[in-house]
Amino acid sequence: AQSVTQLGSHVSVSEGALVLLRCNYSSSVPPYLFWYVQYPNQGLQLLLKYTSAATLVKGINGFEAEFKKSETSFHLTKPSAHMSDAAEYFCAVITRKNAGNMLTFGGGTRLMVKP
Amino acid sequence: DAMVIQNPRYQVTQFGKPVTLSCSQTLNHNVMYWYQQKSSQAPKLLFHYYDKDFNNEADTPDNFQSRRPNTSFCFLDIRSPGLGDAAMYLCATSWGGNQPQHFGDGTRLSIL
Repeated sequence: AQSVTQLGSHVSVSEGALVLLRCNYSSSVPPYLFWYVQYPNQGLQLLLKYTSAATLVKGINGFEAEFKKSETSFHLTKPSAHMSDAAEYFCAVITRKNAGNMLTFGGGTRLMVKP
Repeated sequence: DAMVIQNPRYQVTQFGKPVTLSCSQTLNHNVMYWYQQKSSQAPKLLFHYYDKDFNNEADTPDNFQSRRPNTSFCFLDIRSPGLGDAAMYLCATSWGGNQPQHFGDGTRLSIL
């Protein structure tokens, strides 16, 4: 069964610093991976998706993620943090079930950005 | 342009009083999902519809039911809310397959 693990439930960075949020996956088949962001009292917004076309995936708001099969990782990065990046981030993998697709989420990482 | 719309954004109900949350979509996706999310946790899938086919998760309490009268709308009914049902409820839609899910802004349910 596919699963994802996010290392670090809380990450704190200074404004302007590199953001690195870690996600490792477990899958016996090529995975389809996603990163979502959730701002307070809002739903989940898709940041980016990996669908095997390219290992380096660029998303919205300056985020990108690199798929590394050898490390079973799909870490999310942003070169320079902004105060508006403070939010909860979820890594997710598609798990097929019945006719729909299911998302299996990691536990989430709360990103805090210090001035 | 809102694509997955949830109403209301905030809902307060009394212990044991039935409540209905609604979700509509303009994406014409054939799959619609309902999730429960508690504080500082990942969303937990309750059930989903693939077109008109209803798929319940094994651990979803019987207290939770859903209706999908047409492609655009889906409802979550909680028959007798308990204090433990206070949470954010998220609706999502998708084409299925390997396509991403698109989420609404959620309804935060409080139980008095």
